[in-house]
Amino acid sequence: KNQVEQSPQSLIILEGKNCTLQCNYTVSPFSNLRWYKQDTGRGPVSLTIMTFSENTKSNGRYTATLDADTKQSSLHITASQLSDSASYICVVSRQTGANNLFFGTGTRLTVIP
Amino acid sequence: GAVVSQHPSWVICKSGTSVKIECRSLDFQATTMFWYRQFPKQSLMLMATSNEGSKATYEQGVEKDKFLINHASLTLSTLTVTSAHPEDSSFYICSAPPRGTRGGLNTEAFFGQGTRLTVV
Repeated sequence: KNQVEQSPQSLIILEGKNCTLQCNYTVSPFSNLRWYKQDTGRGPVSLTIMTFSENTKSNGRYTATLDADTKQSSLHITASQLSDSASYICVVSRQTGANNLFFGTGTRLTVIP
Repeated sequence: GAVVSQHPSWVICKSGTSVKIECRSLDFQATTMFWYRQFPKQSLMLMATSNEGSKATYEQGVEKDKFLINHASLTLSTLTVTSAHPEDSSFYICSAPPRGTRGGLNTEAFFGQGTRLTVV
């Protein structure tokens, strides 16, 4: 069964601190993995997209890692800001099939001053 | 970057009425658009795939007669919730990959800003 699981479900951190979000998947055959940021009441916005051959990709204070062997990915946020408060969604794409995007349930991050 | 625009961003309607939501790709053409529904604290659930010039493909459990999809041009797809009921209240989001790509295959999926539907 193709699944995407994220942890933790929610996280509260102090402004300026770092945090790491996890994503485990069983989607096969794997095509790519994306991390999205979704503010409340808004559509998701892409942070990174990683293919099978990529281990690390950064976008400003966001760094995503991918281990295709263990089917795990992480999103590391450094020097968190209040504006980082949002849901972070891991989306894994499958190479075949009409419906080939599988969404995690997201991690709700709250950054407090 | 490519932009997908949804309209309206929120709507309140009476039970039994119909509501139309528009999804436009602003600076690229999309032969395929996807419609999702998201309930509070849950992830996006694919409802249907909108195909330009042909019928939409609906996911299992989604009523095609209730959620009418029209993809009349390469830049516009519409979702009409017919005879809306309170249980249809949700956050509806569309996404589109640029034309010439197969959505999800190492391509970007651009999401609209979503439409909050409340049926009273």
